[in-house]
Amino acid sequence: KNQVEQSPQSLIILEGKNCTLQCNYTVSPFSNLRWYKQDTGRGPVSLTIMTFSENTKSNGRYTATLDADTKQSSLHITASQLSDSASYICVVGPAYGGATNKLIFGTGTLLAVQP
Amino acid sequence: SQTIHQWPATLVQPVGSPLSLECTVEGTSNPNLYWYRQAAGRGLQLLFYSIGIDQISSEVPQNLSASRPQDRQFILSSKKLLLSDSGFYLCACRAGAGNTIYFGEGSWLTVV
Repeated sequence: KNQVEQSPQSLIILEGKNCTLQCNYTVSPFSNLRWYKQDTGRGPVSLTIMTFSENTKSNGRYTATLDADTKQSSLHITASQLSDSASYICVVGPAYGGATNKLIFGTGTLLAVQP
Repeated sequence: SQTIHQWPATLVQPVGSPLSLECTVEGTSNPNLYWYRQAAGRGLQLLFYSIGIDQISSEVPQNLSASRPQDRQFILSSKKLLLSDSGFYLCACRAGAGNTIYFGEGSWLTVV
């Protein structure tokens, strides 16, 4: 069964610290992996998208890595800010799906950045 | 880039009442449009997707329906709401050659 599992479920860090969120998936065949940031009560916003041939992609203080062999991805946040407090969702796109884009969503990691 | 408008942002409806959530997209034409539901502690669930006007596919059997009367308008409806329809509904869009999915701000539905 195609699944996306994220860890930890929640995380509290101090402002200015770095953190790493994990995503493991069993989706096969695999096409792409995305990370989204979702503020409470808002729609998700895309941070990065990587195809199976990419190992890393950065977006400002956010850096995503992908190991397609072990089916793992991580999202590293550098020098965290209070505004980074949000849920971070890992989303995997299977190689099939066409126009439906049958993305498979993780349940997210809830990050709280404290002053 | 695309802009997605969803409304209403929040609503409280009694069981058995009808529902209409509307989504419109700006900045693109002929997009793929999606309706997702997000339940607490669970990943987003795809409800409907559309590749064009009046072309709707349903992903899960349910009490809801969707319509696309115009290229950039996507509507989620129900004739009679159930308590289990409560949740956070998100409209999303993918357009052109891009692979990014853009989401609207969401609509909170509470059925009482």
